Amino acid sequence: QQQVKQSPQSLIVQKGGISIINCAYENTAFDYFPWYQQFPGKGPALLIAIRPDVSEKKEGRFTISFNKSAKQFSLHIMDSQPGDSATYFCAASIGGYQKVTFGIGTKLQVIP
Amino acid sequence: NAGVTQTPKFQVLKTGQSMTLQCAQDMNHNSMYWYRQDPGMGLRLIYYSASEGTTDKGEVPNGYNVSRLNKREFSLRLESAAPSQTSVYFCASSVTASGNTIYFGEGSWLTVV
Repeated sequence: QQQVKQSPQSLIVQKGGISIINCAYENTAFDYFPWYQQFPGKGPALLIAIRPDVSEKKEGRFTISFNKSAKQFSLHIMDSQPGDSATYFCAASIGGYQKVTFGIGTKLQVIP
Repeated sequence: NAGVTQTPKFQVLKTGQSMTLQCAQDMNHNSMYWYRQDPGMGLRLIYYSASEGTTDKGEVPNGYNVSRLNKREFSLRLESAAPSQTSVYFCASSVTASGNTIYFGEGSWLTVV
């Protein structure tokens, strides 16, 4: 049972465009929602995270939008750059609990 | 400033062979994890250690064993490798087990033939 559903699995965006990756979760006990970025041949690294008491969090060109009632959250990458080409994972966890559940990942390619 | 270091980087095994993936972190983290990454499956937790002296099963523990040797080191052992264990394995650590940032190693590419 996939507790965090991520889409799309792959995404091609032109340089300067907006990249949008969506995730949906089922367990309403989740209270921490991070996004990880992974470059080829490297391990994932935390990009940005949000807790459900806020609807949006922005860090530079990266924004998380969170809809608690719909149990959905998304990553927006504004002014996408070729250097943003990577695989992005959404994730969810329960505070005080060890296991982070990851989505299946989205491979983003930003073309010049 | 190494972070999470795992060895080996690449390994080819024959079916039935055993091997141990080694992992060490230098960030004084309490919690450590082993994940596997497969196409279309994302990252799946194999085993974790919330603190030194404890280990627990994750989502896909079958065919694996772990040892938390000390606070720094957490190893993953395949006793009798199977082709289904061909994957990229990531060791990771976090300060505690409660929703903190997880820091990943660079991965170990394992092929079982």
